[in-house]
Amino acid sequence: GESVGLHLPTLSVQEGDNSIINCAYSNSASDYFIWYKQESGKGPQFIIDIRSNMDKRQGQRVTVLLNKTVKHLSLQIAATQPGDSAVYFCAENIRSGGYQKVTFGTGTKLQVIP
Amino acid sequence: KAGVTQTPRYLIKTRGQQVTLSCSPISGHRSVSWYQQTPGQGLQFLFEYFSETQRNKGNFPGRFSGRQFSNSRSEMNVSTLELGDSALYLCASSLGDNQPQHFGDGTRLSIL
Repeated sequence: GESVGLHLPTLSVQEGDNSIINCAYSNSASDYFIWYKQESGKGPQFIIDIRSNMDKRQGQRVTVLLNKTVKHLSLQIAATQPGDSAVYFCAENIRSGGYQKVTFGTGTKLQVIP
Repeated sequence: KAGVTQTPRYLIKTRGQQVTLSCSPISGHRSVSWYQQTPGQGLQFLFEYFSETQRNKGNFPGRFSGRQFSNSRSEMNVSTLELGDSALYLCASSLGDNQPQHFGDGTRLSIL
């Protein structure tokens, strides 16, 4: 079936270190991927996206890597800060039957240790 | 540019009642999707509307319904509320396919 899963439910990193959050997806037809950050009491916030014709995309302090061969997605956060503490979700989009379907992973909690 | 607005932020209901939640998308966004989020679960897709038409529906019972108006604002309705319906209900809007969804801060629904 179609699913998006995360390898690590909780990740603790020291402030200033780099963080890597991983995500596995199962549908090889997915053509668009997004990472979201959700802080307590708020809705998910868009961080960065990547289309299936790319394998890497960089933003400010964040990089998303896409490996279509093994259906793996990762989010790298450079110089992690306390404000990065949140739950991170990956999402995959697939276009089917004239509409898109978005499937979210279960989330990884990132804890930044000061 | 205003973000996605959801009202109310908090709601308490009892079993058997019904509830209507509202979502105002970002201006210019025609796609509105609804999700249910519960502790320990990911985001569970409810349905998506585009130009007043429901394009896609998740695996929820018929008690969950929605609609979209000509100004792209959307409402979702849950009838005959059950304890298990207690959740954060999130609305997201986007320009269209393969565009990022932008979320509101949700409506926290508690069923007593």
